[in-house]
This record gives sequence, structure tokens and C-alpha cells, in this order.
Amino acid sequence: NAGVTQTPKFQVLKTGQSMTLQCAQDMNHNSMYWYRQDPGMGLRLIYYSASEGTTDKGEVPNGYNVSRLNKREFSLRLESAAPSQTSVYFCASSGNGAAGETQYFGPGTRLLVL
Amino acid sequence: GENVEQHPSTLSVQEGDSAVIKCTYSDSASNYFPWYKQELGKGPQLIIDIRSNVGEKKDQRIAVTLNKTAKHFSLHITETQPEDSAVYFCAALYSSASKIIFGSGTRLSIRP
Repeated sequence: NAGVTQTPKFQVLKTGQSMTLQCAQDMNHNSMYWYRQDPGMGLRLIYYSASEGTTDKGEVPNGYNVSRLNKREFSLRLESAAPSQTSVYFCASSGNGAAGETQYFGPGTRLLVL
Repeated sequence: GENVEQHPSTLSVQEGDSAVIKCTYSDSASNYFPWYKQELGKGPQLIIDIRSNVGEKKDQRIAVTLNKTAKHFSLHITETQPEDSAVYFCAALYSSASKIIFGSGTRLSIRP
């Protein structure tokens, strides 16, 4: 049982390049989330998916798109990377999205945009 | 708007002493308050949580208190140990959007 896995662990992009961050969970959770973590700002929600086939915007969705490929996988895409998107990205999942459920986090992807 | 404020941003305590981290929230309807610990190079991990129907919850050396009237909650770590060194995040569930909003984090260092 690997929990939540993320790939890649680290990526360097040039401004304007695109990339997709991958996330998968093996806990049969319905809900999945993407956060970014910046110094002094905690974790901010980018997008979330309450269940397979649905996605919703979080606090900071601009410049990102997501795809809930199936129940296990939730990807985050940067179409045209900008230096402001340099951050650490975390994927998380929770059981069925009910209020007050534990979120389980992956190890993170460190992204540097030059 | 939806906001969780966390203080202090850094905290250094002597091994064996207690550490306290405080958070305030803005949505009076919030009813779930988790605390996460993030070790270097890893993702956050839930260490304790509290719901609005109780004022205090303990788990070994860790305790959380909640004051709904004042809209603040705190994490207390007693008899601190080197492995307690990490970044701690408080969070609150905003029921209007079923989203968890995180505080900005506290970097706790335990001095030997």
C-alpha cells in the first residue's frame, strides 16, 4: 500500500514550457486535491475533485488545469509555465470528501520555473 | 473571507519543555480543525484533530484546545523531543465550501 504517489519528484522548466504533474492513490479514495506550498503561505488549494468525473476550482486555479483520469489518478497541468509557479506541489486524497475527513498527502513535486 | 492565522512562524524550545502554537479562524461555522506535521522533504501528515463539539483532545504528548467563542485553537506539545522538530500547520474546515484552509505554518526547532 503506497498511499499517495507523485511524479516527478523534481522538475526544472523554462518560462512558457508545459508539463503535467501526476498523482495516484491506492486507498480507494473518492476525493483528490492539488495544493501548492510557498514559503510563509502554507498550503493553498489549486483544484480538487470530490469524485471521479468532477473537478472544482480552489483558491488559486489560474494557470492550471486538472484531469481526474479515473478514481486513482488526478493530474495537474501547467500549459505555459511562469516563474510565479515555482513552488512545491502536493497531491492529497480523502475517503469520500465528507466534511472533516483526514487528507493523506503525497511526498510533493518541487518545480522550478526559470 | 476565509482565513486561518497561525502564530508564531518560528519557535525554538529546549528539549523537554513545552511548545504551544496558536491559530485563529474567521468562519464561525467551521466545525473541524486538524493539525498537520511536515518533516523535511515530506508531505504533511495529520497528527491530531478536533471537532467543535469538544473543547480539548489529547493524544499522548500532544493536545489541542478549541475556543469557539473566540474562534481560536491551539496545539500543545509537552516533553518535547528532537523528533518533534518539523513544520506544523493548523487548518479549519470552511463548511460553506467544504474546503480545508491551512495556516501559514510554524517551524518548530527543539534545542538539545
